[in-house]
Amino acid sequence: QQPVQSPQAVILREGEDAVINCSSSKALYSVHWYRQKHGEAPVFLMILLKGGEQKGHEKISASFNEKKQQSSLYLTASQLSYSGTYFCGALPGAGSYQLTFGKGTKLSVIP
Amino acid sequence: GAGVSQTPSNKVTEKGKYVELRCDPISGHTALYWYRQSLGQGPEFLIYFQGTGAADDSGLPNDRFFAVRPEGSVSTLKIQRTERGDSAVYLCASSRTGGKADTQYFGPGTRLTVL
Repeated sequence: QQPVQSPQAVILREGEDAVINCSSSKALYSVHWYRQKHGEAPVFLMILLKGGEQKGHEKISASFNEKKQQSSLYLTASQLSYSGTYFCGALPGAGSYQLTFGKGTKLSVIP
Repeated sequence: GAGVSQTPSNKVTEKGKYVELRCDPISGHTALYWYRQSLGQGPEFLIYFQGTGAADDSGLPNDRFFAVRPEGSVSTLKIQRTERGDSAVYLCASSRTGGKADTQYFGPGTRLTVL
């Protein structure tokens, strides 16, 4: 079952902040965040592990609420280069190594 | 260093034909994944290799799809008797060890169009 992302789309002016949410109905081991620009490969942003560990870019922050199986990606002081579609991928806590992605959040940053 | 590469970048074929899509992972990465991405959707898991063996092929939609990684490096995704519904971008990713905390690095994909 794929995680649910919200919002589906958001338009920001340069310098504004945004939060993208990802929610799963399953117990998760980790949440993986990617950004994809049109026609390009998804680019890794961050991994959040149960237990609080994070791996990723310094300029991006995120949280993972293990009780609620929810993750949020925080984009602050947005730049034009932040535009793209953001995907969260959920890796279950038991067994499977299948990364299941949400439908994505399209972020557009305008001057 | 070099990232994940995929060839061809675009493939147009006719319904019923056979196609092969190639993935060259990052050197030294033992884990390799195939995903399929349709327009407006996130990547959908197909298969995961650990070394030469398929550790999880439960995402392959049916027996027309098959993938190999004979020497633990390059992988080929093979689709027999293609159907129009197979049209999508096929993405390959690799990770260093395949662990659950490991980063998957994606290639640029192969856009498959079945006419």
